[in-house]
Amino acid sequence: GAVVSQHPSWVICKSGTSVKIECRSLDFQATTMFWYRQFPKQSLMLMATSNEGSKATYEQGVEKDKFLINHASLTLSTLTVTSAHPEDSSFYICSARPRGGYTFGSGTRLTVV
Amino acid sequence: DAKTTQPNSMESNEEEPVHLPCNHSTISGTDYIHWYRQLPSQGPEYVIHGLTSNVNNRMASLAIAEDRKSSTLILHRATLRDAAVYYCILRGPSSSNTGKLIFGQGTTLQVKP
Repeated sequence: GAVVSQHPSWVICKSGTSVKIECRSLDFQATTMFWYRQFPKQSLMLMATSNEGSKATYEQGVEKDKFLINHASLTLSTLTVTSAHPEDSSFYICSARPRGGYTFGSGTRLTVV
Repeated sequence: DAKTTQPNSMESNEEEPVHLPCNHSTISGTDYIHWYRQLPSQGPEYVIHGLTSNVNNRMASLAIAEDRKSSTLILHRATLRDAAVYYCILRGPSSSNTGKLIFGQGTTLQVKP
């Protein structure tokens, strides 16, 4: 089946630094990808919709300058958390929609210290 | 997308059937009923989806009420690996809106040996 590969699976960074998370569709082309954030014991919250070759669409309350999304090719979308702070520590998950249902990455556990 | 209501948690014994309910009284005629599950520290995975008729696949069965205001995900023989958070989500047809998948709180299923 369709696979979405997400890297890294976990990352620890210092406050004030930036972290890039990659999401690749391995055997299909994804013109659209979705980025979610999940805090402990909570559900997934949609952050933004990534569109190949155009600007991402952000959900209400999500800072576009802090969470930079780039979708430069049909198989790669990246999320960069800029100037990370401890409150940005979370589980970040990407998703794409090949034919049929949605496919999700395995997630990235970000810890900002 | 219309809202769904699920119990916060359920328990089951291993090798017994599990019925996970979902209420969606405001479902529209074109909304599909999707089920995803999320194992600890992983991204969600597709389980099953349907529109009007009951559906079966190798993972589960989906029973949809005649008025479509509720549905039930059925795991025929629960295993310890089925312990996860199960999400019931309504989605319009592929041609509608932006393709976003919005998660509710889901049902945390515990499976006892």
